Amino acid sequence: NAGVTQTPKFQVLKTGQSMTLQCAQDMNHNSMYWYRQDPGMGLRLIYYSASEGTTDKGEVPNGYNVSRLNKREFSLRLESAAPSQTSVYFCASSEMTRATNEKLFFGSGTQLSVL
Amino acid sequence: KQEVTQIPAALSVPEGENLVLNCSFTDSAIYNLQWFRQDPGKGLTSLLLIQSSQREQTSGRLNASLDKSSGRSTLYIAASQPGDSATYLCAVVGNDMRFGAGTRLTVKP
Repeated sequence: NAGVTQTPKFQVLKTGQSMTLQCAQDMNHNSMYWYRQDPGMGLRLIYYSASEGTTDKGEVPNGYNVSRLNKREFSLRLESAAPSQTSVYFCASSEMTRATNEKLFFGSGTQLSVL
Repeated sequence: KQEVTQIPAALSVPEGENLVLNCSFTDSAIYNLQWFRQDPGKGLTSLLLIQSSQREQTSGRLNASLDKSSGRSTLYIAASQPGDSATYLCAVVGNDMRFGAGTRLTVKP
């Protein structure tokens, strides 16, 4: 089972460059999420999509845009990368949001460095 | 705003020891609390989910408890093994999902 697949696994950008992180899930989940993980800070939610066709800001959305392309795919775009966006990015999915018994399934992450 | 804290940040124990990891949160209005395991360079794997109406959940050598009134959860690992070495994160699902920073566990052979 593939679960949640993220590409690329590693990326180095120069300040000002743009890129898109791709995420796809094969579990027919309605909700998808993008998190960033920084040392000592846990995971912070960037954007999420509760269902196909909807997206909402999370805790740290500035500098990012997202697209829920279809039920399977949820992409994260950095329009003009900054060194502060150096982080590990995780995509996740769940059948629903804010439910009592919904588990989150994570991709393996993208390590992004902005020089 | 929900704040989730995990103490200690790192823990080292000898193999075979029973241990407890702690998670505290500030807002008791939650749907559930989840414990995750993260291996270096990997994503997060869900270990246990405790619904807001439950007090504990067990899976093998793992037992997680939840006390909403005090804003605390513990993850108990029995008879620890070197393979348990990883970072353990708790996450609280309320209006959004908030993660603790994790406890990095090392089990020495």
